[in-house]
Amino acid sequence: GDSVTQMEGPVTLSEEAFLTINCTYTATGYPSLFWYVQYPGEGLQLLLKATKADDKGSNKGFEATYRKETTSFHLEKGSVQVSDSAVYFCALSDRGGNNRKLIWGLGTSLAVNP
Amino acid sequence: EAGVAQSPRYKIIEKRQSVAFWCNPISGHATLYWYQQILGQGPKLLIQFQNNGVVDDSQLPKDRFSAERLKGVDSTLKIQPAKLEDSAVYLCASSPGPGTVLRGTEAFFGQGTRLTVV
Repeated sequence: GDSVTQMEGPVTLSEEAFLTINCTYTATGYPSLFWYVQYPGEGLQLLLKATKADDKGSNKGFEATYRKETTSFHLEKGSVQVSDSAVYFCALSDRGGNNRKLIWGLGTSLAVNP
Repeated sequence: EAGVAQSPRYKIIEKRQSVAFWCNPISGHATLYWYQQILGQGPKLLIQFQNNGVVDDSQLPKDRFSAERLKGVDSTLKIQPAKLEDSAVYLCASSPGPGTVLRGTEAFFGQGTRLTVV
């Protein structure tokens, strides 16, 4: 079945460092891909998404490109801030049939130090 | 636009007691999800509704968990009796559903209910 694999955390960076969180997927169809973020004590928020190959999602300085050839959707940010400390989840939306299901990665915890 | 509303935000109960959580999805959203998120893990789907019908409850422990979505709007999730391992955050989410023409329609999450079973 469909699955999502994320790099394990925790990831600890200094402020203004470059961030990459790897995400790869397996899917039989043509899924949509998402990055969600969960700040401490909060629910999940959509960070960005991409719906087809070569699409680039971007928001708040974060970017991810839908790479069909490598089945990847890596999250990047050029200069992280302390406020980016959170848990990041990669997910895909299974578009098969009439039931849209979200398949989740296990999450990657990011801590940014001043 | 109002978001997904959940209540209560926090609940502490003793094992073997019962508890219920409530969710009001975004108006017009046909699909509603209940997730369980144990500390340090990703969300685990418990049940997915399409309007008032269940489309996936394969991971719902049906001996103790139940959920309903009357009239295809609000939903309640119940645990009876609770166990220590049920301590988690219970997240409700909604999305417009497969009937929309939008691709890649994301799910919108509530803030969750943090359950502690002691």
